[in-house]
Amino acid sequence: KAGVTQTPRYLIKTRGQQVTLSCSPISGHRSVSWYQQTPGQGLQFLFEYFSETQRNKGNFPGRFSGRQFSNSRSEMNVSTLELGDSALYLCASSPVPGSETQYFGPGTRLLVL
Amino acid sequence: DQQVKQNSPSLSVQEGRISILNCDYTNSMFDYFLWYKKYPAEGPTFLISISSIKDKNEDGRFTVFLNKSAKHLSLHIVPSQPGDSAVYFCAASAWNTDKLIFGTGTRLQVFP
Repeated sequence: KAGVTQTPRYLIKTRGQQVTLSCSPISGHRSVSWYQQTPGQGLQFLFEYFSETQRNKGNFPGRFSGRQFSNSRSEMNVSTLELGDSALYLCASSPVPGSETQYFGPGTRLLVL
Repeated sequence: DQQVKQNSPSLSVQEGRISILNCDYTNSMFDYFLWYKKYPAEGPTFLISISSIKDKNEDGRFTVFLNKSAKHLSLHIVPSQPGDSAVYFCAASAWNTDKLIFGTGTRLQVFP
């Protein structure tokens, strides 16, 4: 079974631009969560989607948004990029919300200049 | 407000010895705890978990201990191997939400 895939793996943007990251969960998994990893803050929860609906949201500004498609693939969007948005963005999938374990993708490393 | 804290950013242990990674939490609603291991350029992988009804869970070389009164959990790796060198994250979730709250991670280096 293929793992969680994320595209692109690396991205360089400038302040003020917007970015869209994509995540394809493990086949059969319907829950997708997004995390931001930075050296100082560790892994911080962004949001979780299940059946095309956002179930949970972390403490991030409205510039961070996401969606999930009927095939469970998910995208997250960051608008009006700031330097502090430079981070590794990780996507994790699980069969349903509340599953014991989540399976993480390799992440998208975003650099904002 | 960091609800899950890993106060040691790094730990260095000799091969064959015990590695002890610590994690503290502040939210008494947390009832499920997990440890993840992360290698560079890879996503975190699940290692071991424990629910609040237990105080110990063991899986091979890995044991997680939970002290609810102290709001503290620890991961013991015995014996440590060079392949265990990675960043370890503890995470917690509460009964009323599926949200996982992660600590900032501890980088473990196991040297020969």
